[in-house]
Amino acid sequence: EIVLTQSPATLSLSPGERATLSCRASQSVSSYLAWYQQKPGQAPRLLIYDASNRATGIPARFSGSGSGTDFTLTISSLEPEDFAVYYCQQRSNWLALTFGGGTKVEIK
Amino acid sequence: QVQLQESGPGLVKPSQTLSLTCTVSGGSISSGSYYWSWIRQSAGKGLEWIGRIYTSGSTNYNPSLKSRVTISVDTSKNQFSLKLSSVTAADTAVYYCASGQVPSVGRVNAMDVWGQGTTVTVSS
Repeated sequence: EIVLTQSPATLSLSPGERATLSCRASQSVSSYLAWYQQKPGQAPRLLIYDASNRATGIPARFSGSGSGTDFTLTISSLEPEDFAVYYCQQRSNWLALTFGGGTKVEIK
Repeated sequence: QVQLQESGPGLVKPSQTLSLTCTVSGGSISSGSYYWSWIRQSAGKGLEWIGRIYTSGSTNYNPSLKSRVTISVDTSKNQFSLKLSSVTAADTAVYYCASGQVPSVGRVNAMDVWGQGTTVTVSS
């Protein structure tokens, strides 16, 4: 099983600040990594796929980078609606998809 | 735009079988380039992929759940279903259905459509 470790667990920031979230894989997943946003009581929403491709309708302030084992999701300037939990997910092992434990971005 | 909606009992007794259905609207479940998945989320284990089914009927299951999981598709009803047998309290979770395109160059290679989720509690 490919283990995805996200850090930090919680990120306390103010609107307008830059958020940098990390996802580290226990083995190489090439670029086969996605990022999701989840708000309370809602399903996860796809933000980024294949490490750096924004999904349809996702604002340009969201960007993804990385390959192999180290990945980053960056929110360039936090909007009020961006405070949520973010998860990474790998598809490198297609028969055993796994998710990271999440990073909560909270208002400072 | 495809939409997904989960349905099924919210309470299941220990040792029984959990059964959920996902209804697909706004598109055909028979589209050959898509797969249909189940994911669950519990406080203890976060997001956990359960498995997927293709329009061909072939399936992939999470190895940790494989012995207890069956996913099937009913193209006449535009639905796919999850059965999880011998449930325990550890199976209490919010269950989501989701879909994505079979990975290929130029496609959105992730689960980009999700249902709203349904809470299932395992308790006597």
